[in-house]
Amino acid sequence: ILNVEQSPQSLHVQEGDSTNFTCSFPSSNFYALHWYRWETAKSPEALFVMTLNGDEKKKGRISATLNTKEGYSYLYIKGSQPEDSATYLCAFIKTSYDKVIFGPGTSLSVIP
Amino acid sequence: ETGVTQSPTHLIKTRGQQVTLRCSSQSGHNTVSWYQQALGQGPQFIFQYYREEENGRGNFPPRFSGLQFPNYSSELNVNALELDDSALYLCASSSSALTQETQYFGPGTRLLVL
Repeated sequence: ILNVEQSPQSLHVQEGDSTNFTCSFPSSNFYALHWYRWETAKSPEALFVMTLNGDEKKKGRISATLNTKEGYSYLYIKGSQPEDSATYLCAFIKTSYDKVIFGPGTSLSVIP
Repeated sequence: ETGVTQSPTHLIKTRGQQVTLRCSSQSGHNTVSWYQQALGQGPQFIFQYYREEENGRGNFPPRFSGLQFPNYSSELNVNALELDDSALYLCASSSSALTQETQYFGPGTRLLVL
């Protein structure tokens, strides 16, 4: 059974603070990693697809890095805004024949 | 707006009953995946349909079955409902069955089994 973990489970930050959280996955095989943002009462929304060790992706104030050798990806949010409040999910794919395995998510609350 | 829709939004059933959940994929997408999200967990992969054929299945019993239609919409059927089937059911469509392809999710159907 593959374990994909995310930490912390939840966090609360003040508006304007920068924050980051982690997705950990088995480092023995790696094909791709997805990050999703899931706002309450909405559908999960794709943020990034990461496929190469050392990948760095950026979308506005949100960025992500990938280390496949040690089995983790970081998601960074610079200058958090209340609209960033959501659950952030990572989804790991071991090989091209496997389907995605989601982590449990990190719930972010940005306090105005 | 993702374009993926699901119906119904909420559903209450009793143990032993059967349920059908529906998903309309985004225009141009030929692949639909279904996920179950129990409270406090990430979505778990149930199965995927690609061009009307099942294309991979997660660790779910045979009473979870599905269909994909020529217009690429899809149904998830669950027979002999159990209390543990209470969850949010998500569908996601994509433009191909490649696993690195971005998936576009619907809003989900929340099922409560009493």
